[in-house]
Amino acid sequence: ETGVTQTPRHLVMGMTNKKSLKCEQHLGHNAMYWYKQSAKKPLELMFVYSLEERVENNSVPSRFSPECPNSSHLFLHLHTLQPEDSALYLCASSQEPRDRGLYEQYFGPGTRLTVT
Amino acid sequence: AQSVTQLDSQVPVFEEAPVELRCNYSSSVSVYLFWYVQYPNQGLQLLLKYLSGSTLVKGINGFEAEFNKSQTSFHLRKPSVHISDTAEYFCAVSGDPGRRALTFGSGTRLQVQP
Repeated sequence: ETGVTQTPRHLVMGMTNKKSLKCEQHLGHNAMYWYKQSAKKPLELMFVYSLEERVENNSVPSRFSPECPNSSHLFLHLHTLQPEDSALYLCASSQEPRDRGLYEQYFGPGTRLTVT
Repeated sequence: AQSVTQLDSQVPVFEEAPVELRCNYSSSVSVYLFWYVQYPNQGLQLLLKYLSGSTLVKGINGFEAEFNKSQTSFHLRKPSVHISDTAEYFCAVSGDPGRRALTFGSGTRLQVQP
């Protein structure tokens, strides 16, 4: 495997289900990100992890719970979601910059989530 | 704070015609600029980036972009498009040390017609 991989690619879940999205990066990076991409809306940054520590959490509802057990893996645990949470969830990784402020991100293919 | 504006939400163009996708940014610090492409049902792929040096940057698939500091722009161009270039294109900026990720524009849908 190369780059950033995400599983599953598609997920349909009911509002009472619990599921998890998985992301793995094979680039040796030390920062990972979750984004939400909804139709007709800009990309929304959800969470940022750097060196396995959460460093940014952009007012995301508690029904989304991230986990970063090591620098290569990132999870997004989902429970009691709403239909408006249906979207493409994208994972990305980058190397914490030597140059202050430079974040060159590499993206996975995304998980298409449908909440019924 | 930093922000990105992509002035066109959709750009229709005929095959083999030239195209320009516009991007303007706002930032109080020095910036790094990126263009990403997203094909249907896929993630974002890095097309090109400006970090420093020459203001004309060449990327993959025949695309190039020019950094214009005085106009705070980073427009993407291709001299002759193909049907396969049909996709969503995102401009992004980083450089604000208070923001530990890229800031993206809202995207431009390039529709190449035969």
